[in-house]
Amino acid sequence: SQQGEEDPQALSIQEGENATMNCSYKTSINNLQWYRQNSGRGLVHLILIRSNEREKHSGRLRVTLDTSKKSSSLLITASRAADTASYFCATTSGTYKYIFGTGTRLKVLA
Amino acid sequence: IAGITQAPTSQILAAGRRMTLRCTQDMRHNAMYWYRQDLGLGLRLIHYSNTAGTTGKGEVPDGYSVSRANTDDFPLTLASAVPSQTSVYFCASSEMMNTGELFFGEGSRLTVL
Repeated sequence: SQQGEEDPQALSIQEGENATMNCSYKTSINNLQWYRQNSGRGLVHLILIRSNEREKHSGRLRVTLDTSKKSSSLLITASRAADTASYFCATTSGTYKYIFGTGTRLKVLA
Repeated sequence: IAGITQAPTSQILAAGRRMTLRCTQDMRHNAMYWYRQDLGLGLRLIHYSNTAGTTGKGEVPDGYSVSRANTDDFPLTLASAVPSQTSVYFCASSEMMNTGELFFGEGSRLTVL
């Protein structure tokens, strides 16, 4: 399987704290994306980082990419109860279609 | 609201029956995908389509077939359902194959007894 892995599998934090999730992948990539999934819903795109970028910001989201380690991290700052969801990374490459990781379940306690 | 529509939302099916999950998009995207989501395994690609008239196999294609007669529709068929096909199925699309953002439907929850 070419699937990536997120770490940790589950994360529980207090509202206002920062949440960090990590993603490791196996192949060389064109880009890496992060998606959010609320319980029982479809996935929603959050942010895309290209293979030649090292860091990207969008609102309270910060994504880093280290292609030498084949890893990425997603930081959510000042978390809110509404951020409670599962978060997935997905990679694309010339050979493989969008390959998703196994996800991190984030719970933000009010 | 533009996006992807999947039907049915939920279905219970007897083993051996034929089932078609429907997917329609109104964004005129070229590429479409079917994923299944199972607990602990994330999303796995079943089949994909680069453009109308072409389809390809993903990671777990066995027991499934697709067609892409036009740009908007991408149905997934289980010819003879088995219990291991119990899962949540997501249809997705992107403007071009393997690039940019994926847009997802809300999923079809299928239980095969």
